[in-house]
Amino acid sequence: NAGVTQTPKFRVLKTGQSMTLLCAQDMNHEYMYWYRQDPGMGLRLIHYSVGEGTTAKGEVPDGYNVSRLKKQNFLLGLESAAPSQTSVYFCASRPSGRGEIHEQYFGPGTRLTVT
Amino acid sequence: RKEVEQDPGPFNVPEGATVAFNCTYSNSASQSFFWYRQDCRKEPKLLMSVYSSGNEDGRFTAQLNRASQYISLLIRDSKLSDSATYLCVVNKAGYSTLTFGKGTMLLVSP
Repeated sequence: NAGVTQTPKFRVLKTGQSMTLLCAQDMNHEYMYWYRQDPGMGLRLIHYSVGEGTTAKGEVPDGYNVSRLKKQNFLLGLESAAPSQTSVYFCASRPSGRGEIHEQYFGPGTRLTVT
Repeated sequence: RKEVEQDPGPFNVPEGATVAFNCTYSNSASQSFFWYRQDCRKEPKLLMSVYSSGNEDGRFTAQLNRASQYISLLIRDSKLSDSATYLCVVNKAGYSTLTFGKGTMLLVSP
């Protein structure tokens, strides 16, 4: 049981290049999330999805696009990378339901540097 | 006022010490509260949920004060392995997302 995996683990981009980060989960979770984490800023939500085919904007969506074509995958795209997008990107997932526990399971992160 | 505020620390304590962290949240509609732990360069992981009546998990005790809108985490008998950043996390009823504080760093020394 792999949990939440992220591809790639590291990447260096030049300004203006594009790339896609892949998040995959094998826990049959409905909800998936993309965060970025910067020093002194904490975790900030970029986009999220509450089910296959749905996406929604988070706190810092500008410069990013997402797609959830399959339940187990959540893709984060950078169309034209900027140095301000240098960050660590975390994907997370959780089951749906109205339970009190909202534990999100995180992937190991992708370290992206834009030069 | 920020949604979730924490003292960034670091808190430097010797092994065996008791240490407490506080966190304040701004939205009175918040319904669910958690502490996550994040090791250096690793992903966050759930440490414990925080219940209105307070709850304990081994050496860790969490308390919630709804009237003052703050959450606390107490760690007793600190271990070297407790060194990490502790994230205060809040959920609003009816929302699918969590709001994370920036974290409090704990360093436990021999």
